[in-house]
Amino acid sequence: AQTVTQSQPEMSVQEAETVTLSCTYDTSESDYYLFWYKQPPSRQMILVIRQEAYKQQNATENRFSVNFQKAAKSFSLKISDSQLGDAAMYFCAYRRVGGGGADGLTFGKGTHLIIQP
Amino acid sequence: DGGITQSPKYLFRKEGQNVTLSCEQNLNHDAMYWYRQDPGQGLRLIYYSQIVNDFQKGDIAEGYSVSREKKESFPLTVTSAQKNPTAFYLCASSILRRGGEQFFGPGTRLTVL
Repeated sequence: AQTVTQSQPEMSVQEAETVTLSCTYDTSESDYYLFWYKQPPSRQMILVIRQEAYKQQNATENRFSVNFQKAAKSFSLKISDSQLGDAAMYFCAYRRVGGGGADGLTFGKGTHLIIQP
Repeated sequence: DGGITQSPKYLFRKEGQNVTLSCEQNLNHDAMYWYRQDPGQGLRLIYYSQIVNDFQKGDIAEGYSVSREKKESFPLTVTSAQKNPTAFYLCASSILRRGGEQFFGPGTRLTVL
């Protein structure tokens, strides 16, 4: 079974600074997807960024980027120029490619990100 | 507007009662999912369905049941067999393609009194 581990229960960063959230995972599959989801106080889950395992290039979405190390099974999220609206729980998630595209996500326990004004 | 709706937002139940949580989507997605979230925990998969009249158990299906009679709807029943049902429940949907993003509803908070 796949597992996803987020070792930082809580992180704090000054507004406008850069912060990196860590995620490691365990799988025997070679083809899969990795995701970072954000859950603000409203509890709505929002997709931040997605990485395909067979792509070596790290995904980037505006101020959000990932460092994907497939051999090390590591998938960290970097948030640049942190803003107050970035304060939320961040979840790392894994999904294998098989299963007809319908497999559910396996989530880590989350990192609570605090933005200091 | 396209999206996923869950109702009710808050639900209270007495111990020993079954309760059904609603999930509807108008995104024309084939696949639908139910997750459970507990404090300090990530989301855990309860059930999922990729086609009408078919569904599969996830990691924590015991004490839950689902149906998929329409493509748009995937209700979850929390039965009296579920030992610790108080939690936040999230419904999601996605298209059936490689890497298809899962879109989430706003969630239902279930409290057992």
